[in-house]
This record gives sequence, structure tokens and C-alpha cells, in this order.
Amino acid sequence: QKEVEQNSGPLSVPEGAIASLNCTYSDRVSQSFFWYRQYSGKSPELIMSIYSNGDKEDGRFTAQLNKASQYVSLLIRDSQPSDSATYLCAVNPKALYNQGGKLIFGQGTELSVKP
Amino acid sequence: GAGVSQSPSNKVTEKGKDVELRCDPISGHTALYWYRQSLGQGLEFLIYFQGNSAPDKSGLPSDRFSAERTGGSVSTLTIQRTQQEDSAVYLCASSPRAGGAQETQYFGPGTRLLVL
Repeated sequence: QKEVEQNSGPLSVPEGAIASLNCTYSDRVSQSFFWYRQYSGKSPELIMSIYSNGDKEDGRFTAQLNKASQYVSLLIRDSQPSDSATYLCAVNPKALYNQGGKLIFGQGTELSVKP
Repeated sequence: GAGVSQSPSNKVTEKGKDVELRCDPISGHTALYWYRQSLGQGLEFLIYFQGNSAPDKSGLPSDRFSAERTGGSVSTLTIQRTQQEDSAVYLCASSPRAGGAQETQYFGPGTRLLVL
């Protein structure tokens, strides 16, 4: 079982719709979770970080975390063609958050927003 | 302010040659990470430096790979006797000292390595 799993996609949504990206992780002690966006040929850029169960909203983006189910998701409201990219879920496997260290990345979900 | 910088941006080498990849972290960031991303693959952790602590080398795939960080700033990743399977994008990231949101890792543009 992979440590961090994502559907590879592609996920295609029409412009203005809600895009829902999902991620599951295997290490129950993980405490820190991140969503990165990566445009083709570019390096990853941070979209959201989340540490506590529940929802965290930032503009059109909402991250959702459920530690009991070992599940983290990213919702993108009012999707735009410029949101078309690969979205990477990353987990810090350390038991205590804010301890730094390596991130374990999923394979990424390719999102395509059609005008 | 300036982000993470990496050089060279592209490197083509012949199988069996050694290569050195350089990373300049964001000024003031004490943590530095190396990852690699192969075509169609996710990001794979290689090594992590935090201040003066011993580096976490748990992700290095073989003893042909090594990295150092001099003066707590610039880092060099060295691959000896390169193989074709080493072809990938090598990404460096840095983060401030751990605490609050400060563990966020910021990535450089990467070095695209092609081993012929």
C-alpha cells in the first residue's frame, strides 16, 4: 500500500464547477498535510496546509481533514481554466506537527477545467 | 524576496559521469530538502538538512548519491557514476525553522537531469 494515495485522473470539470480532489494516507500518526499545485514543467507551489480535523478555507480553496478516516481533500470552487494543473497531496509523517522533516507525496491528480 | 534558486536549470551528461547540482535556499531558512521527480512519478524525498543536526539521508537511493550543506546555506547534491535511471527533475526546497506555519516547504525551479 502506498503511503499517500491519490486518483491520478485526469479529473475534468467545466468552468465554474466545484473540483474535488481526494487523498488518503496510511500512517495514522501523521499530523501535517499539504496541497501543492504543479503546472506542467514547473515546480510545486503550496496551495493549502491543514493540521486539524475539519475544514480550512482560503479564497476559492477549501481543505478538509479527517484523521480518523485518514483522508484529506481539496475543494476548488468556481473552477477556472487557470486551475488546470496537477495537484499533489503531501503528508509529513512525523508524530508531532511542526517538527519539520520530509514530506511524502502522492502521485498527483491532474485537473482539467474546460471553458 | 528571492525564492529558492537552483543551478544548472538543465544538465545533460553521459552515463558514468559525475554531476553536481546546487541549491540556494531562501535567506534565513534553516531547513533544506532535496527531492526528485521522474517522468510521470510523484516527488521522492532524498535528503533533509536542519541547522547543525545530522542530515536525514533515508531517501538516498544508493551510495552514488551524496549531499552536503556548507555554512548552513548552500547545498550541493552529487551523483557519482550517473546511470540512465537517474534522469529526473531534482527539486530543492527550504523552510524556516519548524514552528507554526513555518514548516511549509518552498520549492525551487528544479534541475532537469538527462543521462544519455
